Amino acid sequence: AQSVSQHNHHVILSEAASLELGCNYSYGGTVNLFWYVQYPGQHLQLLLKYFSGDPLVKGIKGFEAEFIKSKFSFNLRKPSVQWSDTAEYFCAVSLNTGFQKLVFGTGTRLLVSP
Amino acid sequence: EPEVTQTPSHQVTQMGQEVILRCVPISNHLYFYWYRQILGQKVEFLVSFYNNEISEKSEIFDDQFSVERPDGSNFTLKIRSTKLEDSAMYFCASSPGGTFDTQYFGPGTRLTVL
Repeated sequence: AQSVSQHNHHVILSEAASLELGCNYSYGGTVNLFWYVQYPGQHLQLLLKYFSGDPLVKGIKGFEAEFIKSKFSFNLRKPSVQWSDTAEYFCAVSLNTGFQKLVFGTGTRLLVSP
Repeated sequence: EPEVTQTPSHQVTQMGQEVILRCVPISNHLYFYWYRQILGQKVEFLVSFYNNEISEKSEIFDDQFSVERPDGSNFTLKIRSTKLEDSAMYFCASSPGGTFDTQYFGPGTRLTVL
């Protein structure tokens, strides 16, 4: 069965610090990869996604993620975080065979102090 | 921008009661999903629905659960006899389908079973 691991459960950063959130998945086949964000009191929003092609994916709000197939990883990065990035971040995976359920990681709570 | 909507935002019920959670997916989407998130745990897939039938369900989605698309716009999740452990945030999602399918989530319904 697919599974997704997010090793950082809570991250605290100061504004302007760089961010990297880890995501690893276990599945031997071809997958689609997603990062969703949930701001306080809001619903899950798509940050970025990877289906194929360039393994470096750029998303909204200055976020990017790199797919490293050999490491089964899809880490999320941002060079300089802002207070407004305080949120919970979820990595998710689906099989690359048409529409499929998403399998989520446990989420990482990011707190950015001003 | 079109959004998935869910009602109610919060539902409190007594154990053993039936509840119906409602969702209005994005209008041109063809695939519909329910997920849930128990407090402090992962977002978990419950069921997917396409062409008026369930296409996949998880082991959580037992006989107490059912889904329906009663008209052209609503998508409902019914829990026949709620248990304490059904307390969770329930998210509806929809997607258009196709090769690069992406799911869009509603704001969630927080279900509290007393």
